[in-house]
Amino acid sequence: DAEITQSPRHKITETGRQVTLACHQTWNHNNMFWYRQDLGHGLRLIHYSYGVQDTNKGEVSDGYSVSRSNTEDLPLTLESAASSQTSVYFCASSESGGKLFFGSGTQLSVL
Amino acid sequence: GIQVEQSPPDLILQEGANSTLRCNFSDSVNNLQWFHQNPWGQLINLFYIPSGTKQNGRLSATTVATERYSLLYISSSQTTDSGVYFCAVEGDDKIIFGKGTRLHILP
Repeated sequence: DAEITQSPRHKITETGRQVTLACHQTWNHNNMFWYRQDLGHGLRLIHYSYGVQDTNKGEVSDGYSVSRSNTEDLPLTLESAASSQTSVYFCASSESGGKLFFGSGTQLSVL
Repeated sequence: GIQVEQSPPDLILQEGANSTLRCNFSDSVNNLQWFHQNPWGQLINLFYIPSGTKQNGRLSATTVATERYSLLYISSSQTTDSGVYFCAVEGDDKIIFGKGTRLHILP
């Protein structure tokens, strides 16, 4: 069955370190998204991509970057982790104009 | 950008009760989806409903795009319905979520 996989499930890092969260989907979807979820804020869009080599900033993109070198993967990089980036991160994918499917999430703690 | 508001923010019901969750959005959208986040954090797509009415078992949803709102109905609630319900709209070339309705079903 097609799926969307995030790794790691849990990550603890220190302030200032670079961190990369992986997202891999086997749906062959063109669209991929990264969201963060914080209490009181719901799900906020960080970055999104509508195809290979395409990346776009969402509403909370500062301090994050993504790259899309193939259809299946959209890794999220925190260039220099900050305590404010402690959160649960969700990756999602969809076909254009289609249903959105989520991964299981990554719990990131920045100490 | 598009604003998405959900109400009520919190809802506590006895098992067997019915409920209606509302999602208002501020501008025209291409589509609307409802999600359930269970107590373990998983996000499950319930409905893809840009307009009209759909039903799936005890759940149904109605979107009135011209009036910019959608409703999610849950009938005969069960404890497994507990969690947070999100609506999400596609507009301005991106998918934006509301802050959710937290539903707690008491046994």
